[in-house]
Amino acid sequence: KAGVTQTPRYLIKTRGQQVTLSCSPISGHRSVSWYQQTPGQGLQFLFEYFSETQRNKGNFPGRFSGRQFSNSRSEMNVSTLELGDSALYLCASSFTNVGDSPLHFGNGTRLTVT
Amino acid sequence: GENVEQHPSTLSVQEGDSAVIKCTYSDSASNYFPWYKQELGKRPQLIIDIRSNVGEKKDQRIAVTLNKTAKHFSLHITETQPEDSAVYFCAASNGNNDMRFGAGTRLTVKP
Repeated sequence: KAGVTQTPRYLIKTRGQQVTLSCSPISGHRSVSWYQQTPGQGLQFLFEYFSETQRNKGNFPGRFSGRQFSNSRSEMNVSTLELGDSALYLCASSFTNVGDSPLHFGNGTRLTVT
Repeated sequence: GENVEQHPSTLSVQEGDSAVIKCTYSDSASNYFPWYKQELGKRPQLIIDIRSNVGEKKDQRIAVTLNKTAKHFSLHITETQPEDSAVYFCAASNGNNDMRFGAGTRLTVKP
């Protein structure tokens, strides 16, 4: 099976702009979750989608949003970018619930905000 | 919500020695505790996980122990090798569709 695919791998944006990241899960996986990884902060949970429904959300401002399509592919959007949004954004898919089965991570999208 | 603390943040051992990484969690309802290994420039990958109905689990040189009363769990790596060098993340979940990670431990195994 193909692994989790994230596009693009790298992004450079300017403060105030918005960005959309894409994630294609492993075939058959219906749960997709997103994480922000920064040095010293580890992996911060953003949100989780299952069958096109957001089931949980972490402690991030409303500028961070996402959605999931009927084919389980997911997108994450960040509006009004700030310098502090620079990070590696990882998505992960799992067969059932996050917290009930192993997460399979993509290679991430590295976002740089200047 | 769940809060996971991980110690130490960095750990350096000699090849062949053992390494232990400890994590504590705050939500007594947490019932799933995975460990992920992230090599430099690569994605995190699951190395072992344990559920709350089990106290210990082993897989070759890797073992995880769980103390539900004290709300802590630990990763043990024996006979460390240079390829064990990576960042290790513990995580905890109460099954409510999220996963909370520790801040990570950078393990360096010196040949």
